[in-house]
Amino acid sequence: QSALTQPASVSGSPGQSITISCTGTSSDVGGYNYVSWYQQYPGKAPKLMIYEVSNRPSGVSNRFSGSKSGNTASLTISGLQAEDEADYYCSSYTSSTTLVFGGGTKLTVL
Amino acid sequence: EVQLVESGGGLVQPGGSLRLSCAASGFTLSDHYMDWVRQAPGKGLEWVGRTRNKGNSYTTEYAASVKGRFTISRNDSKNSLYLQMNNLKTEDTAVYYCARSRGRGGSYFDYWGQGTLVTVSS
Repeated sequence: QSALTQPASVSGSPGQSITISCTGTSSDVGGYNYVSWYQQYPGKAPKLMIYEVSNRPSGVSNRFSGSKSGNTASLTISGLQAEDEADYYCSSYTSSTTLVFGGGTKLTVL
Repeated sequence: EVQLVESGGGLVQPGGSLRLSCAASGFTLSDHYMDWVRQAPGKGLEWVGRTRNKGNSYTTEYAASVKGRFTISRNDSKNSLYLQMNNLKTEDTAVYYCARSRGRGGSYFDYWGQGTLVTVSS
């Protein structure tokens, strides 16, 4: 199972919006509404930000939103804040009943 | 409060074995799929494998990179999850996280441990 494709890095200024893409295949992202997104700070465990494409867990800011079109899922962060600077990973359920992660995207807040 | 605490990491030579443990608290372990995810130094997350819940007969799945070498088990009475790693390779060097799965098919992880570092080196 190949890793999902994410851009290595994205950046934005405070207050702006950014979008991180996550591209897979019809056997994972495109085949199921089971894409999730995780935020990870250096040296820390990942934190769930979005599940099942567009659902936010309790306690996650509504500045974070998710969507999907075809084989590509997206995470959008609006009203960018300095604390959003972190690594972001997408994940998808697959037709092999396994899970696969994206390569990760480093978000820099300028 | 849900807590996951990994232990058992350390330095091991190539070809060696190591057993990681994950102590769970704050929830009923038998109700949940539980997974292992690893992260090599400076790299991204990699799904390692899972054990399904009691209702799904505790069946297991593994990533191709560890299949045949790693075994996931659990002891619900001890609220513990395990990862037995055999024939370790240098590329298995990583922080290993246990995580609780939720959703249909266990498609996302709502709680993670703090991780335990495994270093495979001679």
